[in-house]
Amino acid sequence: GAGVSQSPSNKVTEKGKDVELRCDPISGHTALYWYRQSLGQGLEFLIYFQGNSAPDKSGLPSDRFSAERTGGSVSTLTIQRTQQEDSAVYLCASSPGTGGNQPQHFGDGTRLSIL
Amino acid sequence: AQTVTQSQPEMSVQEAETVTLSCTYDTSESDYYLFWYKQPPSRQMILVIRQEAYKQQNATENRFSVNFQKAAKSFSLKISDSQLGDAAMYFCAYNNAGNMLTFGGGTRLMVKP
Repeated sequence: GAGVSQSPSNKVTEKGKDVELRCDPISGHTALYWYRQSLGQGLEFLIYFQGNSAPDKSGLPSDRFSAERTGGSVSTLTIQRTQQEDSAVYLCASSPGTGGNQPQHFGDGTRLSIL
Repeated sequence: AQTVTQSQPEMSVQEAETVTLSCTYDTSESDYYLFWYKQPPSRQMILVIRQEAYKQQNATENRFSVNFQKAAKSFSLKISDSQLGDAAMYFCAYNNAGNMLTFGGGTRLMVKP
């Protein structure tokens, strides 16, 4: 597709379960970002991948959160032992490269609800 | 750390009128980029307009323009000839290091027919 694709669109799971969220960036974009959008915290940066460099994980809220990017393309955000405070919309974005002049293009997000 | 503040949680405008959304930011950097994103109910963040801090000229994109005041660290968005489709959440964002965006809390814009 032409844009950033995220799946699933919605995910409902029980507290304590693990979840995986997927992001397929725009073809050719080397940079990929994950953000979390929640009512109490607004939009927060989680993690950033650029090419083959080590990811910037400085925004991950706890060690229950991890992310991978395979082959420089698709990324998976994994949340282990989910808690109710993990309920949020998880947004993925990609950009052609680094540099503040490279606009980030966003997907539609995954709405995660923890029961 | 950089911060971005949007002081208007909600704004309302009559269709065809003009509205201005406010944004202020705090940074010690001299070179950076500022953005306005629109988020309709579909959740997708759509880039509306961007401004390079080193440029004095205010950016414009059709009905959208900004008033960038670097010394005051202010970056407001003006929407002219408002349309029903402009109704959405609007987020101001800052980027200087080329990686993550720092967002403001958002302004919900309502457009009255």
